[in-house]
Amino acid sequence: DAGITQSPRYKITETGRQVTLMCHQTWSHSYMFWYRQDLGHGLRLIYYSAAADITDKGEVPDGYVVSRSKTENFPLTLESATRSQTSVYFCASRDRYTEAFFGQGTRLTVV
Amino acid sequence: SQQGEEDPQALSIQEGENATMNCSYKTSINNLQWYRQNSGRGLVHLILIRSNEREKHSGRLRVTLDTSKKSSSLLITASRAADTASYFCATDASSSNTGKLIFGQGTTLQVKP
Repeated sequence: DAGITQSPRYKITETGRQVTLMCHQTWSHSYMFWYRQDLGHGLRLIYYSAAADITDKGEVPDGYVVSRSKTENFPLTLESATRSQTSVYFCASRDRYTEAFFGQGTRLTVV
Repeated sequence: SQQGEEDPQALSIQEGENATMNCSYKTSINNLQWYRQNSGRGLVHLILIRSNEREKHSGRLRVTLDTSKKSSSLLITASRAADTASYFCATDASSSNTGKLIFGQGTTLQVKP
């Protein structure tokens, strides 16, 4: 199916564990993004990628790692999860100067 | 800090009324975009307005852009209960070639039947 998909949709993990959130898009968009959404903060950019093997930090990158070995995939890893990383995470993709398409989100709870 | 700031943070109107949301931003842009988010769902793109455009329409949506004031507004005419959602503006800054979109905190719209 065409589109952008995130997995898992829901995740509960313990403090200190490593967690990877997956994002896959089928359009071959150049740009991909990870945002987190928290009440009162809107969407904040964590990391973004302009192409395969090109990634850069956004507004709130601490505690997160990304990679992009293939154009269609952009996984986000929390190396050692903390309670402050409890949030809803959205992946998005776009081409330059066009609209972005968002995944359905991953609701992550760190206990 | 976030590029866009939206006003008001919350808006409650009756069905049939118009809803206006405003967005202010800080740096020069290539384009400005508006998105809608229904509760618990992903964001859906509504409209994109380029920096050389002043007004754009899409159905019941009207977007204006004033680059001299670094502001934009989204007008929803003849609102419906189904328009109840959060609305976000996002800016595509021209100062960098990163392609990133920076979002405002959003306006929560409630349309009462």
